[in-house]
Amino acid sequence: DTGVSQDPRHKITKRGQNVTFRCDPISEHNRLYWYRQTLGQGPEFLTYFQNEAQLEKSRLLSDRFSAERPKGSFSTLEIQRTEQGDSAMYLCASRWGDTEAFFGQGTRLTVV
Amino acid sequence: TQLLEQSPQFLSIQEGENLTVYCNSSSVFSSLQWYRQEPGEGPVLLVTVVTGGEVKKLKRLTFQFGDARKDSSLHITAAQPGDTGLYLCAGRGAGSYQLTFGKGTKLSVIP
Repeated sequence: DTGVSQDPRHKITKRGQNVTFRCDPISEHNRLYWYRQTLGQGPEFLTYFQNEAQLEKSRLLSDRFSAERPKGSFSTLEIQRTEQGDSAMYLCASRWGDTEAFFGQGTRLTVV
Repeated sequence: TQLLEQSPQFLSIQEGENLTVYCNSSSVFSSLQWYRQEPGEGPVLLVTVVTGGEVKKLKRLTFQFGDARKDSSLHITAAQPGDTGLYLCAGRGAGSYQLTFGKGTKLSVIP
């Protein structure tokens, strides 16, 4: 296993379009996180899954954002009706229990 | 909301110099992690500290967790250009699922 994998690495979309990102965590990691990071800031928590259950959502996750982890393995993050303010790096991390969290390389979203 | 304040925000030093960056909070964390992030990449874990007063060394990097588990420091000895990057601290509170990140310290080591 080569670590947390995110796809795509880069996405440019027009305002108002929908986008979906995918995260493949490290095998057998039961906990999965999504974060958003804008320029000059640290990552901000968006949502958390334990297996397939979404146990925590940040207030940053507006109604236009939805995340799933249907089989407790990979996860998707969808943004509907994108806005310019959604432009950011979207990071996924996974961990097993209370061990360290490992991050993917992120998906860089640019909304034009 | 648990907040982590990192200082300094920016640091530019000459190769060979020593430096310390700080991570402070008014909250207690059950564990604290330090990451290094390069532009366009995800954060890479450097170390996790768990016990109050704990000191961990990773080659030229020394990490310390405060006795009260509210603060941490990262000391780099004889900095090298390869140390350039964004250093992030992240804490997990007791009973919390999420990692709370500081804004980071952007380090530039000039050859």
